[in-house]
Amino acid sequence: DAKTTQPNSMESNEEEPVHLPCNHSTISGTDYIHWYRQLPSQGPEYVIHGLTSNVNNRMASLAIAEDRKSSTLILHRATLRDAAVYYCILRARSGAGSYQLTFGKGTKLSVIP
Amino acid sequence: DTGVSQDPRHKITKRGQNVTFRCDPISEHNRLYWYRQTLGQGPEFLTYFQNEAQLEKSRLLSNRFSAERPKGSFSTLEIQRTEQGDSAMYLCASSLGTRKEETQYFGPGTRLLVL
Repeated sequence: DAKTTQPNSMESNEEEPVHLPCNHSTISGTDYIHWYRQLPSQGPEYVIHGLTSNVNNRMASLAIAEDRKSSTLILHRATLRDAAVYYCILRARSGAGSYQLTFGKGTKLSVIP
Repeated sequence: DTGVSQDPRHKITKRGQNVTFRCDPISEHNRLYWYRQTLGQGPEFLTYFQNEAQLEKSRLLSNRFSAERPKGSFSTLEIQRTEQGDSAMYLCASSLGTRKEETQYFGPGTRLLVL
């Protein structure tokens, strides 16, 4: 999987929107952008993924740059339960590339009450 | 709760002992993965099964580690002659097995401490 770059940490106030950036300048045309998060003392959980268009689900929104070299995970109203490490991961859609997830260090999000 | 369970949740052992962890994936999932996570780092891939076949192993999986998935259902990860450096969280994940980019569902992990 291609490499991603994320800030080590971010802070947000409770009930404010949060924008978590991810740079992936070496992304290939067939790579999906996946986001997982890991709450303290738990396994990672899937958040959202996308290919080219922006995506929304009940947890978050994913905004993908037109050139696909960066993306932003958007939490619309941060809650204390959103405090976690957020991982941005590129996944091969088909062909070359393995099935495992390649995690970086992610962004540790702190939510201030 | 993702539907993936792991047992035990915590294990303390002495250096040199053998330990075995179990993972029960979501029942209809064909793919099963093992990862290891040390403090402050993201999870690192160890090995992957498609049904009962172990198709990929990381270089992290030394010859003291062995994993099985008999009958393509639950999986076990055994570490022989444990070392202090094996102390970590061992995570299991499963996925449906229809697409390469599909979502993985993780269990809560087994935290191993080797004294």
